[in-house]
Amino acid sequence: ELKVEQNPLFLSMQEGKNYTIYCNYSTTSDRLYWYRQDPGKSLESLFVLLSNGAVKQEGRLMASLDTKARLSTLHITAAVHDLSATYFCAVEATNAGKSTFGDGTTLTVKP
Amino acid sequence: GAVVSQHPSWVICKSGTSVKIECRSLDFQATTMFWYRQFPKQSLMLMATSNEGSKATYEQGVEKDKFLINHASLTLSTLTVTSAHPEDSSFYICSAGTKRGRSSAFFGQGTRLTVV
Repeated sequence: ELKVEQNPLFLSMQEGKNYTIYCNYSTTSDRLYWYRQDPGKSLESLFVLLSNGAVKQEGRLMASLDTKARLSTLHITAAVHDLSATYFCAVEATNAGKSTFGDGTTLTVKP
Repeated sequence: GAVVSQHPSWVICKSGTSVKIECRSLDFQATTMFWYRQFPKQSLMLMATSNEGSKATYEQGVEKDKFLINHASLTLSTLTVTSAHPEDSSFYICSAGTKRGRSSAFFGQGTRLTVV
């Protein structure tokens, strides 16, 4: 059974600081997703990572994937208040046809 | 990008009644639909996966007779919560995919169900 572990679960940051959220998973994977969820809302897709060494960047967020280590990271650069949300990684195990979600990281960016 | 429309956004129903939630793909054909449930401050839990024209595959612990899923067309899937009880109150989210056997990043807006 695929297990997906995210850490930290809660993150309080000062504006302007950098930080990284980690997503570890337990079996081989075909693809890995990062999502953002605002309170009371559905998921917003941020990144889809498909291959070892994949790196994608959008604004202050950058995601990377190391399939050998079974690890993905979401790096936040110079955080701003608007980034406050819960971030989920989700992993599709090879031939699974479905995603398993991590527990989520609730990010609070303080002025 | 692909648009998935889910209705209603919220619903309040009495205990013992049934509620239907619709999930439509507006600009693409959804071969596969995924239905998730999310309790407050928790992650998403997959309830079932349905392929168009086939019976849904339910995850362990999800009662198929209570959560009826229909995926009769390539643009519409429905989830019916039958004989709802307060413990069924949750946020239900659908996700639509274009390829059988692959997950999807396209999600509906979610439905907040409150059973009183």
